[in-house]
Amino acid sequence: QSVLTQPPSVSGAPGQRVTISCTGSSSNIGAGYDVHWYQQFPGTAPKLLISGNNNRPSGVPGRFSGSKSGTSASLAITGLQAEDEADYYCQSHDSSLSAVVFGGGTKLTVL
Amino acid sequence: QVQLQESGPGLVKPSETLSLTCTVSGNSISSGYFWGWIRQPPGKGLEWIGNIYHSGSTYYNPSLKSRGTMSIDTSKNQFSLNLSSVTAADTAVYYCVRGPNGTGWRVDYWGQGTLVTVSS
Repeated sequence: QSVLTQPPSVSGAPGQRVTISCTGSSSNIGAGYDVHWYQQFPGTAPKLLISGNNNRPSGVPGRFSGSKSGTSASLAITGLQAEDEADYYCQSHDSSLSAVVFGGGTKLTVL
Repeated sequence: QVQLQESGPGLVKPSETLSLTCTVSGNSISSGYFWGWIRQPPGKGLEWIGNIYHSGSTYYNPSLKSRGTMSIDTSKNQFSLNLSSVTAADTAVYYCVRGPNGTGWRVDYWGQGTLVTVSS
């Protein structure tokens, strides 16, 4: 059971907008810790997608955006493309556990 | 371009110690960054193991129950992980990573990962 809760799977058709939620608590996201998002394709290492809640590293398409409110964060993907099919993970810090924590991951399927 | 490469045995017996080394190229192990380990059991999610700073100070995930030890060798541009008393639950792909200090443990570079299987 992950401290940060993500839906196991989401799906969408090409061109659509999908969002992936990351729900935490007052000891992690709600405490003001940054949320980062990573994209992982099968058999490869994760890649940083969104840093510090809503910042896109160089090279990440503008279709990806992040937001944070209260004890939750979200990753939004607009103009969905087949190449976006991957696993997505959120990451933050939890003060109660004194640990860096990840969400359980969300598998995105492009229909 | 920063590159990280994990090395170590792919098979470890239960109750023994798992030892991995990460060799860094394209960037010297310097202050301003943390150097860490993240693992992923087959078919499962990511787990932060711990990280070490240029100064040698360390942080370990409490879930490891004090089984982890990390060290850094700036002369070889390497850092290492030892995980003692392993069980089958420690079977995972182990990634070495780098991230800038003061960014909420943001990871900007990952190694390709190495699968370590715990089995007799």
